Amino acid sequence: EAGVTQFPSHSVIEKGQTVTLRCDPISGHDNLYWYRRVMGKEIKFLLHFVKESKQDESGMPNNRFLAERTGGTYSTLKVQPAELEDSGVYFCASSQVWGSTEAFFGQGTRLTVV
Amino acid sequence: GEDVEQSLFLSVREGDSSVINCTYTDSSSTYLYWYKQEPGAGLQLLTYIFSNMDMKQDQRLTVLLNKKDKHLSLRIADTQTGDSAIYFCAESILADGLTFGKGTHLIIQP
Repeated sequence: EAGVTQFPSHSVIEKGQTVTLRCDPISGHDNLYWYRRVMGKEIKFLLHFVKESKQDESGMPNNRFLAERTGGTYSTLKVQPAELEDSGVYFCASSQVWGSTEAFFGQGTRLTVV
Repeated sequence: GEDVEQSLFLSVREGDSSVINCTYTDSSSTYLYWYKQEPGAGLQLLTYIFSNMDMKQDQRLTVLLNKKDKHLSLRIADTQTGDSAIYFCAESILADGLTFGKGTHLIIQP
């Protein structure tokens, strides 16, 4: 069974550009989470989808970040326009049941904004 | 202060036990977790403990929870070179997202 996969694994963009990160959860997992780790800081929760609906987006830092999950399958996280402080590793996780006790994480996307 | 705190580094000799400590602030935490991240890999759930438990053992791993002091520890018995990784402590309240610590780098000395 394929795990949670994220694309790309690395992305280097210039300040002001747009980047879209993608997450493919484990098939059948209704719950999908985005997290971010800025260098030297904790891994921070960004948002939680249940199927295609945003259950909790309290961790989204500002309106430059837009997350979507069309059809309740894969999800995208778009950063537009990117700023230097957006650099970090973006993790996606999915779980079948409500809650996080069985959440499986992807390998992360390392975003560098220069 | 931070919601979840843990030491940044721990160095142990191969074969010894490793004890990684974590403190958290939210008394409403329902679940507490330990995740492992190896170089170039994602986060792997090692184990979790429900807040009404005080101990959980799984092979070489022992988790101790002191809810009064809001202190969580992970003990790895007979530490091996393959245990070298970053270990993240995390907590959640029911179905909320996880709150992580900064991670502890476990360094294994031969």
